[in-house]
Amino acid sequence: GQQVMQIPQYQHVQEGEDFTTYCNSSTTLSNIQWYKQRPGGHPVFLIQLVKSGEVKKQKRLTFQFGEAKKNSSLHITATQTTDVGTYFCAGLRAGGTSYGKLTFGQGTILTVHP
Amino acid sequence: NAGVMQNPRHLVRRRGQEARLRCSPMKGHSHVYWYRQLPEEGLKFMVYLQKENIIDESGMPKERFSAEFPKEGPSILRIQQVVRGDSAAYFCASSQDGGVYGYTFGSGTRLTVV
Repeated sequence: GQQVMQIPQYQHVQEGEDFTTYCNSSTTLSNIQWYKQRPGGHPVFLIQLVKSGEVKKQKRLTFQFGEAKKNSSLHITATQTTDVGTYFCAGLRAGGTSYGKLTFGQGTILTVHP
Repeated sequence: NAGVMQNPRHLVRRRGQEARLRCSPMKGHSHVYWYRQLPEEGLKFMVYLQKENIIDESGMPKERFSAEFPKEGPSILRIQQVVRGDSAAYFCASSQDGGVYGYTFGSGTRLTVV
C-alpha cells in the first residue's frame, strides 16, 4: 500500500534558527497537504499543493511540491516559540480505489528553545 | 458554524468493557475519517465512511472494532472488549469533497483502558 515517509522525526532548534521537514511518498500523489498539531491538540490544516514543482508561502513558512509529485518539504524561517508542535505531511494518492483517503507521514516534532 | 464535534473528550474504560466514540462532522461534510494516534506517533488511518457506507476500512483491526455513519446522527467508532493496547487518542475528521481541500479534525477522544 501507499507509504508516506517523513524526516526528521525530531528537531530541536534555537529560536531564530530555520527548520525544514521532508516528506516522500512511495506513489505519485494528486496533492499533498500539510498539517500542524500543537502539543495536546488536534491536527490543523495548513495548506495543500497540487501542481508539480509548486511553491507556496505563508508568512515564514514555505511549502514545496516536487516535480515528480512524490515529495514535498516545509521550511520555516526564523523559528519562534509559537512554531512548536508536530508537522505532518499527508498525501492523496493519484487514482486508486480509495480516492479521498489521506495517508499521513509520521510527523516531525519541532521543539524551539528560547 | 460548528466544527467537527467529538465526544467524549476523555473516556476511561476497564479491560473488557465497550468504548463508543462519537463524531459529528462539519455541516455540509459527508465524508468522515477515523484516525488513531499513540503518543509522539503519527496518525494511523482506520476507516473512511460516507453516509451509510464504509468506503475503506483497511486500517481497522478485524476483531472488536467497528464503525458506522448512519443516515441520521453522528458517526460511531465502537471498540468491544477493550484491552490496554487500545489506549490512544482517536481523531475524527471530515471533508466535503473527499479530502481534496483538506480535512477538518475534531478535538479527539483520549481513551484510557485501565
